[in-house]
Amino acid sequence: GQNIDQPTEMTATEGAIVQINCTYQTSGFNGLFWYQQHAGEAPTFLSYNVLDGLEEKGRFSSFLSRSKGYSYLLLKELQMKDSASYLCAVTRVKDSNYQLIWGAGTKLIIKP
Amino acid sequence: DAGVIQSPRHEVTEMGQEVTLRCKPISGHNSLFWYRQTMMRGLELLIYFNNNVPIDDSGMPEDRFSAKMPNASFSTLKIQPSEPRDSAVYFCASSFGEVYEQYFGPGTRLTVT
Repeated sequence: GQNIDQPTEMTATEGAIVQINCTYQTSGFNGLFWYQQHAGEAPTFLSYNVLDGLEEKGRFSSFLSRSKGYSYLLLKELQMKDSASYLCAVTRVKDSNYQLIWGAGTKLIIKP
Repeated sequence: DAGVIQSPRHEVTEMGQEVTLRCKPISGHNSLFWYRQTMMRGLELLIYFNNNVPIDDSGMPEDRFSAKMPNASFSTLKIQPSEPRDSAVYFCASSFGEVYEQYFGPGTRLTVT
């Protein structure tokens, strides 16, 4: 079957670096999304990885290893506004159609 | 563009009543997604459409739930009859395709008493 695992909650300090991991098991893997969701708001897109390697976007970077079924989101120079949930989602192909499978999300708490 | 528009933003109804949630996707987007989010179950994909055609409805909980997309600019999610366990935030999202970033609407907070 399909499975996506993320830590439930993480705590980090303002100005520091934090890495949020996501592991997945699925057939027909196509790519992996990261979304950010602040409390009471809708998710917003952060990144999409299809190929192995690291993609950097300002303070945020996302890494993918297809062979290991593993991804991480790296947040640098943490700010209080980074306190949010971070959702990992996998796209896979099944019966010629795409399926999107979401992880439960990691709640990130930033402390001063 | 105004982004994805959902209505109503809040809905409180009694068990057994019919509930209709509405969504207007971003103009030009080909894919539309309906999600449900609760603290217990997280974000769940209910159904998605490509070019107004339902592609994957495996996440629709049961026959009480139905979704339609009569044209490229409008979709509805209907619950009939509603039950207290349907209480959740329902999001609609749209994108250029299944593997493109999704833009989420503000959500509809549904409370069934």
